[in-house]
Amino acid sequence: RKEVEQDPGPFNVPEGATVAFNCTYSNSASQSFFWYRQDCRKEPKLLMSVYSSGNEDGRFTAQLNRASQYISLLIRDSKLSDSATYLCVVNEEYGNKLVFGAGTILRVKS
Amino acid sequence: SAVISQKPSRDICQRGTSLTIQCQVDSQVTMMFWYRQQPGQSLTLIATANQGSEATYESGFVIDKFPISRPNLTFSTLTVSNMSPEDSSIYLCSVRAGTGNQPQHFGDGTRLSIL
Repeated sequence: RKEVEQDPGPFNVPEGATVAFNCTYSNSASQSFFWYRQDCRKEPKLLMSVYSSGNEDGRFTAQLNRASQYISLLIRDSKLSDSATYLCVVNEEYGNKLVFGAGTILRVKS
Repeated sequence: SAVISQKPSRDICQRGTSLTIQCQVDSQVTMMFWYRQQPGQSLTLIATANQGSEATYESGFVIDKFPISRPNLTFSTLTVSNMSPEDSSIYLCSVRAGTGNQPQHFGDGTRLSIL
């Protein structure tokens, strides 16, 4: 079983749509969680950290369910510029190792 | 967040040669890391660059193949030694300021192709 699993997609959605990505992780001792965004041929950039209480940043909402070892990202009112690969990332036990999911591809079309 | 510069941004090398990649940060950071992203895949941690001591390598990566230096809190190098076509990848430096629950931020990567 992969340490961090994501649906690879691609998710093809029209502008204005709401889209949700899911992620599961295998290490129950994992302590911190992130969503990164990676554009084609670019480096990953932090989109948001994910907290147990859930957190929102504009059109983006992240949720964490520790009992189910499940992380989600919701994007509302999708824009063309949201097209990218979204990486679910888990930090193991306050250590240094970030474990990356394979990424979910989002394509927003007009 | 810190500005992270990598050099070179890309290179094409002959097999059997070595290349050193530099990572420069505009402020002192606690932790620096080196990752590899092979074509069509996600990122894999190569090693943690420790200031003033040997790097900590992940399983499957060894010092002879990927020697790393970190002479101070703002600079690190990764050397890819005796390259083969299988080493063709993007190599990324990342930094983290503070404790383990803080996110890492990435340099713009070095795209390496081996002929």
